[in-house]
Amino acid sequence: AQKVTQAQTEISVVEKEDVTLDCVYETRDTTYYLFWYKQPPSGELVFLIRRNSFDEQNEISGRYSWNFQKSTSSFNFTITASQVVDSAVYFCALSQKTTDSWGKLQFGAGTQVVVTP
Amino acid sequence: GAVVSQHPSRVICKSGTSVKIECRSLDFQATTMFWYRQFPKKSLMLMATSNEGSKATYEQGVEKDKFLINHASLTLSTLTVTSAHPEDSSFYICSANRDGGYTFGSGTRLTVV
Repeated sequence: AQKVTQAQTEISVVEKEDVTLDCVYETRDTTYYLFWYKQPPSGELVFLIRRNSFDEQNEISGRYSWNFQKSTSSFNFTITASQVVDSAVYFCALSQKTTDSWGKLQFGAGTQVVVTP
Repeated sequence: GAVVSQHPSRVICKSGTSVKIECRSLDFQATTMFWYRQFPKKSLMLMATSNEGSKATYEQGVEKDKFLINHASLTLSTLTVTSAHPEDSSFYICSANRDGGYTFGSGTRLTVV
């Protein structure tokens, strides 16, 4: 069975502080995919990153960075120099891929990030 | 990029009536679409997997007779909430997979009064 754990329910920071969101996953599959999505108050889900299980390279995209460590089954997300517009719920998610198709996304509980001026 | 259009964005209906939510893939063919439900301050819970031309696969605990899913074409899946009750009020969101990426509709906020 697949499981995604986001232990942090809410994180509050002051603008320009860095914030790290934790994500720990469980799966028996050797081939799987990890995702991060942002959900602002409007409700739509915004795709941030996808990482497959064979690619442990960390990635940086602007103020966002991701640390994937298979040894600890973690895929953590850091926002550097946070801004008020970063306030949202962030979801970590996991899926598997078979030969023919993509499986369902298993979401973590989400972490609410509140950035105050 | 891949776009999924979901309508309506908001709907208010009376208890006992049925509501249909549409999810369209605008620039790609989606053989599989996923329907999620989200309660306030909660995560997305998968309700069912919609497969074009065949019956949907429902998650455990989801009433298939209450939440009817039809995926009649490669670009359209619909979710019908039948005989809606206040406890069905929620945020419903669809998703389609294209080349390994999951694209989401903008969601439908259903309020049953």
